Amino acid sequence: KNEVEQSPQNLTAQEGEFITINCSYSVGISALHWLQQHPGGGIVSLFMLSSGKKKHGRLIATINIQEKHSSLHITASHPRDSAVYICAVTNFNKFYFGSGTKLNVKP
Amino acid sequence: DVKVTQSSRYLVKRTGEKVFLECVQDMDHENMFWYRQDPGLGLRLIYFSYDVKMKEKGDIPEGYSVSREKKERFSLILESASTNQTSMYLCASSLSPGNTEAFFGQGTRLTVV
Repeated sequence: KNEVEQSPQNLTAQEGEFITINCSYSVGISALHWLQQHPGGGIVSLFMLSSGKKKHGRLIATINIQEKHSSLHITASHPRDSAVYICAVTNFNKFYFGSGTKLNVKP
Repeated sequence: DVKVTQSSRYLVKRTGEKVFLECVQDMDHENMFWYRQDPGLGLRLIYFSYDVKMKEKGDIPEGYSVSREKKERFSLILESASTNQTSMYLCASSLSPGNTEAFFGQGTRLTVV
């Protein structure tokens, strides 16, 4: 049983396209995180949110607490956005991770 | 700039060896975590620690132990490495339970031969 489900698992886009990655969760949460992992392994936190919407540059994250759903949007995608994007939720002291969405943006 | 540093990026060890993976954070964080990441399985929690000398088992603790003697350092120990422990290992830290951001290390890719 996966507490966090992401879709799609793989995504290929052309440079400039608008991209959406979805995340649904089944546990009560104190926060939801979007993480980015480039080839080579290191993970970077993009967003942490518990309600509403956050924007950072070309990235936008939204969350609907009632529907237990979050989306990560990338506007005007670029090849450097190619990475694995991971949705995670925190419930008290525990993180639950989605399996990740592998994004490949072609020039 | 906040940082979580893992001692090695790549490691090759022999079956049966005792392996130490070290993680250091410079943010005075209470919580530290060890995960392994495998294709198709995502990140799975091995152990976490919420204070010095405190530890809690995660989802897959078998074959592993941990040590936290100082607040900034959290070590993962493979008592007798096996080939099924070949994986990417990621350390993370966070300030406090719940609604706080997590910071990750760069990962250690361990191969057990």
